[in-house]
Amino acid sequence: GAVVSQHPSWVICKSGTSVKIECRSLDFQATTMFWYRQFPKKSLMLMATSNEGSKATYEQGVEKDKFLINHASLTLSTLTVTSAHPEDSSFYICSARGPQRPTYNEQFFGPGTRLTVL
Amino acid sequence: QQPVQSPQAVILREGEDAVINCSSSKALYSVHWYRQKHGEAPVFLMILLKGGEQKGHEKISASFNEKKQQSSLYLTASQLSYSGTYFCGTVEAGNNRKLIWGLGTSLAVNP
Repeated sequence: GAVVSQHPSWVICKSGTSVKIECRSLDFQATTMFWYRQFPKKSLMLMATSNEGSKATYEQGVEKDKFLINHASLTLSTLTVTSAHPEDSSFYICSARGPQRPTYNEQFFGPGTRLTVL
Repeated sequence: QQPVQSPQAVILREGEDAVINCSSSKALYSVHWYRQKHGEAPVFLMILLKGGEQKGHEKISASFNEKKQQSSLYLTASQLSYSGTYFCGTVEAGNNRKLIWGLGTSLAVNP
């Protein structure tokens, strides 16, 4: 089946620093990648949708300059949390979708990255 | 528009059955079901694309009603491993495949 990896699994950083999270599709070409944020015991909140080679589409209320998304290749998307603050602490999950079956309709999720900002 | 899941939570004893519903006020192109365990990413269970479709894997099955506005997930003879939060994700007809998530149903299976 389609596999998506995320790196790192967890990160602890000081307030004011920037953190980069990588999302890779390991065995398929991900034409579209999604970035989610999830608070404890809450649903997934879509932050942005990125298509390879084009600018990400951000959901309402998500700051573009705060959460920088780059989808430079068909297997890699990155999310950079700039000048992180404690309120940015959360579980960040990426998912990927391919251009053809079986990945066309499904979203394959990475294992998530837990960010803690001190 | 966010789909509505019911119930919000359910507690079962091992071997009991459960049904989780997901409904939308809009016509849907597809319904996706995922299960998430604490601290882990969601895991895909199944997708339903056609009105009237039913499918399953082992003792978990799902249906998508003919009007394509509601889906139900059936958990039969539940196992301890079924515990987790179940999310439905819906894609509205003509909405460019954007997945909209329900708030989840917490399922706990006890021995």
